[in-house]
Amino acid sequence: GENVEQHPSTLSVQEGDSAVIKCTYSDSASNYFPWYKQELGKRPQLIIDIRSNVGEKKDQRIAVTLNKTAKHFSLHITETQPEDSAVYFCAASTFGNEKLTFGTGTRLTIIP
Amino acid sequence: SQTIHQWPATLVQPVGSPLSLECTVEGTSNPNLYWYRQAAGRGLQLLFYSVGIGQISSEVPQNLSASRPQDRQFILSSKKLLLSDSGFYLCAWSWQSYSGNTIYFGEGSWLTVV
Repeated sequence: GENVEQHPSTLSVQEGDSAVIKCTYSDSASNYFPWYKQELGKRPQLIIDIRSNVGEKKDQRIAVTLNKTAKHFSLHITETQPEDSAVYFCAASTFGNEKLTFGTGTRLTIIP
Repeated sequence: SQTIHQWPATLVQPVGSPLSLECTVEGTSNPNLYWYRQAAGRGLQLLFYSVGIGQISSEVPQNLSASRPQDRQFILSSKKLLLSDSGFYLCAWSWQSYSGNTIYFGEGSWLTVV
């Protein structure tokens, strides 16, 4: 089955700087890669996703890049703000596969 | 639009007592349904998923069980809780379609076993 590794497990960034979280996956058939943000005590919520026919996707300060050859994808947050502090999870799945395999999470702390 | 409801939001249960968490989805039909557990400060562990009424797949052997008596209803149960069952339980749903398996989570249930 699919295995998703996520790094780093914790990340502290000065407010206004950029943050990058990286994930690798094992199943070359995986072609859907969402990212979730979980604030303390809340449910995980989808913030951005990318499909295998696209190399990069942006949504305001958030971007995700995908390298299918190397089987890794990354989340980039620019101009970080205190409200970006949360745990971020990457995930991978194959179209038509009912299961989503999650990474272990990255706790991002934005330092004011 | 689709919404997912999960209850109760919090509960404190003694060891050995039963458990029932319930989840319903509105605004869609024939969804995939999931139960996840998250221990404090940890990742998301898939417990059960269902692709249809009465169809339950178990990911991790444990003293929990799941049932799907109706299309949009998913129930997590235990006959006898263990201390290790404490955690944040999340129900979730996704479309059954060729659209990428985005999973949408409910608000979660905090379970403390004492």
